[in-house]
Amino acid sequence: DAKTTQPNSMESNEEEPVHLPCNHSTISGTDYIHWYRQLPSQGPEYVIHGLTSNVNNRMASLAIAEDRKSSTLILHRATLRDAAVYYCILRVTNNAGNMLTFGGGTRLMVKP
Amino acid sequence: DAGITQSPRYKITETGRQVTLMCHQTWSHSYMFWYRQDLGHGLRLIYYSAAADITDKGEVPDGYVVSRSKTENFPLTLESATRSQTSVYFCASSVFGRSSGTGELFFGEGSRLTVL
Repeated sequence: DAKTTQPNSMESNEEEPVHLPCNHSTISGTDYIHWYRQLPSQGPEYVIHGLTSNVNNRMASLAIAEDRKSSTLILHRATLRDAAVYYCILRVTNNAGNMLTFGGGTRLMVKP
Repeated sequence: DAGITQSPRYKITETGRQVTLMCHQTWSHSYMFWYRQDLGHGLRLIYYSAAADITDKGEVPDGYVVSRSKTENFPLTLESATRSQTSVYFCASSVFGRSSGTGELFFGEGSRLTVL
């Protein structure tokens, strides 16, 4: 099964950029890279996803390595509301369909 | 705009009892998922379903049963609850295409289950 590896926690200062790394060395060619975040006492929410090219949306940017074995979620200006657990997961397509398996995630702490 | 709803939000039961957690979505999404999240840990996939009458096991399916007779409902049953099944359970739904780049998961608010 494709797995992801993330640091357990990271700290950032408010209004500074944050780069959250993720390793997925066993990724296959058809696996999409997804990022979700979970605020305290809430269900996870979608942040961004990509396959090969870098992606931008209003929440964040996703930079994908050329060999696809790693990716980085970029929050351009961290706010206190960005303090959450960020999950990097792979959308695996198999005979049964599509499956997303979460890892431990990175707890992001934002200091004012 | 109901979205995806879970019930009950909170449940306390005893070891050995049967418990069913309900999940209902109003978007007609083809895919639905059940995850559990133990205190201080990430989410683990229990079961998922690609369409009505199609279900498959995730990482931790033992002790759980699911069904999907209708697209909008995906109940999760603990046939004989154990203390180790004390957790927060999240249901999610999505539209996936094998070749599409979409696939945002929409999560419910969670059902907190305590087994005494």
